[in-house]
Amino acid sequence: GDSVTQMEGPVTLSEEAFLTINCTYTATGYPSLFWYVQYPGEGLQLLLKATKADDKGSNKGFEATYRKETTSFHLEKGSVQVSDSAVYFCALSFSSGGYNKLIFGAGTRLAVHP
Amino acid sequence: KAGVTQTPRYLIKTRGQQVTLSCSPISGHRSVSWYQQTPGQGLQFLFEYFSETQRNKGNFPGRFSGRQFSNSRSEMNVSTLELGDSALYLCASSFMVAGGYNEQFFGPGTRLTVL
Repeated sequence: GDSVTQMEGPVTLSEEAFLTINCTYTATGYPSLFWYVQYPGEGLQLLLKATKADDKGSNKGFEATYRKETTSFHLEKGSVQVSDSAVYFCALSFSSGGYNKLIFGAGTRLAVHP
Repeated sequence: KAGVTQTPRYLIKTRGQQVTLSCSPISGHRSVSWYQQTPGQGLQFLFEYFSETQRNKGNFPGRFSGRQFSNSRSEMNVSTLELGDSALYLCASSFMVAGGYNEQFFGPGTRLTVL
């Protein structure tokens, strides 16, 4: 079945370090891909999305490119801040077919230290 | 525009009881989806409602049920609670553009603890 695999955490970085969180997926067809972020005690917020191959999603300095050939959607940020500390979830969906069902990876906890 | 609201935010129940959680979507959104988040299983899709009809269902036992009202508000019910039902239950709403991408907006969740 469809699934998402993302790198295990926690990821611990110093402020201004470069961030990469790997995400790969298995799906029949061509899903839309997402990164969501969850801050402590809160629900999920959409960070960025890509709806077709080679699309690049970007927001708040974060970027991810939809790579069909490697079935990947890795999250990157050039310079992390303490405020980026959160749990990041990669997800896929075939919502364009008229149904809303997100399939999530296990989540990667990011801790950024000053 | 107000976001997705969920009530209550916290609940404590004992095994064998039942519980009802409520979700009010963003105004104008007609699709409501529910997810369960646990440390062991992560985020799992429960079901989706659109125009008062369940359109999609995840792999959960029949103890988990839901409904949607004509104003798009949704409730989910868990009967005969088990310890393993302790989780954060998240609701998400979307506008539903036919044939296109539909972004889901999440509420803050209801934290259910079963003792």
